[in-house]
Amino acid sequence: DAGVIQSPRHEVTEMGQEVTLRCKPISGHDYLFWYRQTMMRGLELLIYFNNNVPIDDSGMPEDRFSAKMPNASFSTLKIQPSEPRDSAVYFCASSRQDQPQHFGDGTRLSIL
Amino acid sequence: DAKTTQPPSMDCAEGRAANLPCNHSTISGNEYVYWYRQIHSQGPQYIIHGLKNNETNEMASLIITEDRKSSTLILPHATLRDTAVYYCIVRARVRYNTGTASKLTFGTGTRLQVTL
Repeated sequence: DAGVIQSPRHEVTEMGQEVTLRCKPISGHDYLFWYRQTMMRGLELLIYFNNNVPIDDSGMPEDRFSAKMPNASFSTLKIQPSEPRDSAVYFCASSRQDQPQHFGDGTRLSIL
Repeated sequence: DAKTTQPPSMDCAEGRAANLPCNHSTISGNEYVYWYRQIHSQGPQYIIHGLKNNETNEMASLIITEDRKSSTLILPHATLRDTAVYYCIVRARVRYNTGTASKLTFGTGTRLQVTL
């Protein structure tokens, strides 16, 4: 079975540009999670969805960050405008209710 | 959320059992203990989880003490490919308007180095 698929794997862009990260969850999973990982702060939960509806976005750092899930098979995390401190690895994960989360291989984002 | 405490690093010889401890003294009665690992440059990988009883799967065994305040992850025959950061997590259940959800809060984990 295909796992969680994230794209792009790597993104390098200049500060001020819009960045869009994409995630395709595992088919049949009704929960989707976005995480960010940095050396300083470790792995942090940003937002999660249930049945395409955002449930908890308390981890989203600020208004520059937004996430959407237009359908059960696709989600985006957008940063606009991007800043150097947004540089991190961003992970997407999905799960069924009360089942283990399965993670993608992440997007390594560098903002110059 | 119940917090967990893990040693920052451990070494294990290849072929030997790796025993990774975790303290979670504030765990609530209905909270599960989850273990994930993260191999360099990859996403976290689910290993095993349990509530009260010991659990075993093809990857590892999980031993939970009777008072549930600590647990040990056992990799019975460690290989070089088991070198990774291992995270012990107490899964919190969160109520929202239309139901409940489970949140994972990752700590700093234990960096396991398997050597020849």
